[in-house]
Amino acid sequence: RKEVEQDPGPFNVPEGATVAFNCTYSNSASQSFFWYRQDCRKEPKLLMSVYSSGNEDGRFTAQLNRASQYISLLIRDSKLSDSATYLCVVNIVGGSYIPTFGRGTSLIVHP
Amino acid sequence: DADVTQTPRNRITKTGKRIMLECSQTKGHDRMYWYRQDPGLGLRLIYYSFDVKDINKGEISDGYSVSRQAQAKFSLSLESAIPNQTALYFCATSDLREEGPDTQYFGPGTRLTVL
Repeated sequence: RKEVEQDPGPFNVPEGATVAFNCTYSNSASQSFFWYRQDCRKEPKLLMSVYSSGNEDGRFTAQLNRASQYISLLIRDSKLSDSATYLCVVNIVGGSYIPTFGRGTSLIVHP
Repeated sequence: DADVTQTPRNRITKTGKRIMLECSQTKGHDRMYWYRQDPGLGLRLIYYSFDVKDINKGEISDGYSVSRQAQAKFSLSLESAIPNQTALYFCATSDLREEGPDTQYFGPGTRLTVL
């Protein structure tokens, strides 16, 4: 089982929709989690960090479920500009903390 | 000016050539990373360094080597490039929190093509 798993999508949604992605992780000792946004052929950029149960920033909400070992990203009122790939990152404990990326979830927001 | 820079931005080379990709950062972070990205495979860790004297292999280090010349500089070398090393390469830096590495800051990437 891969350490960090994401549904690759694509998720194809209309403007204004609410969409949610999940990311599951295998190492129960992981303590910090991140969502990054990556536009095509560009570098990933931080969207949100999650150190406790969750985080909210405007239209974006990240939730952590330690019991089930997943984090989620909820996007409300989707905009065309939200179209991108969303990467989940989990700091995997293994002697030291190593950031481990999921393969990403593609989101396409259409008019 | 960008906090993390990579050179070159694009490179086309031939099989068997030695290639060096360079990364510089002005964030003052101790931790630096090299990743490669292939379509559908996400970012995979090649090497990482926690400080100038520390080098660690990542998930896919075979065929690569690195050098941490200073806190701000971390270079990736392909001693003898092969076509399946064609990919987009990213350098990243991060600080460290109690819970683990903090936000990673990425360079703009180097697109490498090996013919």
